[in-house]
Amino acid sequence: GDSVTQMEGPVTLSEEAFLTINCTYTATGYPSLFWYVQYPGEGLQLLLKATKADDKGSNKGFEATYRKETTSFHLEKGSVQVSDSAVYFCALRLTGGGNKLTFGTGTQLKVEL
Amino acid sequence: EAEVAQSPRYKITEKSQAVAFWCDPISGHATLYWYRQILGQGPELLVQFQDESVVDDSQLPKDRFSAERLKGVDSTLKIQPAELGDSAMYLCASSLGTVETQYFGPGTRLLVL
Repeated sequence: GDSVTQMEGPVTLSEEAFLTINCTYTATGYPSLFWYVQYPGEGLQLLLKATKADDKGSNKGFEATYRKETTSFHLEKGSVQVSDSAVYFCALRLTGGGNKLTFGTGTQLKVEL
Repeated sequence: EAEVAQSPRYKITEKSQAVAFWCDPISGHATLYWYRQILGQGPELLVQFQDESVVDDSQLPKDRFSAERLKGVDSTLKIQPAELGDSAMYLCASSLGTVETQYFGPGTRLLVL
């Protein structure tokens, strides 16, 4: 079945460090890929998306590239801030799968001064 | 900014009791989703409504869970009887019809003792 695998957390970084959170997927066909963020006490928010191979999604300094050859969608940011501390979820939606999202387990990011 | 409202935010109940959660979507959003998020896992779709009709409830444990959206606006998710394994965060989301416009509420955290 369809699935998303994320690196385990928590990931702890110092402010201004480079961030990578790995995400790989298994799916039939060509899914759309998403990153969601969940700040403490808040609901999930869509961070960025990519709908086809080689697309790059970007938002708020974060970016991720849809790599079909490696079935990956790694999240990156060049310089993290304390305010980026949150849980990040990778998700996929199958082509023709309606609006059903399959989420990864989430990766907690802690950024320290 | 319009938000998805959920209540209660926290609920503690005993095994075999009935429990209900309420969700008020963003005005005008025809699609409403209920997700369950077990600690350490990603959200899993339980049920999806389009207006008052169920579109997908394939992952809803129908022997104990029920969901309704009688007037196509707010929605209630019920568990009867609750079991220990139902302890989780229950998330509601609404959208205009695409996953990109899916907005999540803050969730209801359920603890079954």
